[in-house]
Amino acid sequence: KQEVTQIPAALSVPEGENLVLNCSFTDSAIYNLQWFRQDPGKGLTSLLLIQSSQREQTSGRLNASLDKSSGRSTLYIAASQPGDSATYLCAANYGQNFVFGPGTRLSVLP
Amino acid sequence: GAGVSQSPRYKVAKRGQDVALRCDPISGHVSLFWYQQALGQGPEFLTYFQNEAQLDKSGLPSDRFFAERPEGSVSTLKIQRTQQEDSAVYLCASSLVGQGGYEQYFGPGTRLTVT
Repeated sequence: KQEVTQIPAALSVPEGENLVLNCSFTDSAIYNLQWFRQDPGKGLTSLLLIQSSQREQTSGRLNASLDKSSGRSTLYIAASQPGDSATYLCAANYGQNFVFGPGTRLSVLP
Repeated sequence: GAGVSQSPRYKVAKRGQDVALRCDPISGHVSLFWYQQALGQGPEFLTYFQNEAQLDKSGLPSDRFFAERPEGSVSTLKIQRTQQEDSAVYLCASSLVGQGGYEQYFGPGTRLTVT
């Protein structure tokens, strides 16, 4: 069964810290892996998409890496800000559907 | 359009009622997906369309759930005889082409509460 897990489930950090969110997937036969942000009561906002042939993608203060063989991806957030507070979800794309992790709830304290 | 839109944003139904949830994908997007998100969990796949063809409905939890996309654009997810366990946020996503490494764009979701 294709499963995606995320560690930690929740994280609270002071403003300015660098942090890493982890995502693991059991089936490495992915097309790509996508990281999303979800604010309370809102839909999903795409942050980064890494194709299976890529090792990392960067957007501003965000950097996502992919190790397909080990079934892992990490999202690195540099110099965190209170506005980064949200739930971060990773999703593995197996062709016709995405399998989502349960998310990491991030709180950045001012 | 500018993005994926869904309506209604909120729906309260009494147990046993039928509901219909609408999704307007981004214009020109071939693929359309429906997901169910329970409180505190990640979205779970329900069904997938490529144009008007429903290619995968393996995630639909019961035969009370039915989805259609008759003209290959707007899609409707219908839930018959709603039950309390159907309470969740229903998310719609679209992508430019079919299978493979293309980015999905999500709508804001419809929050369904069954009382």
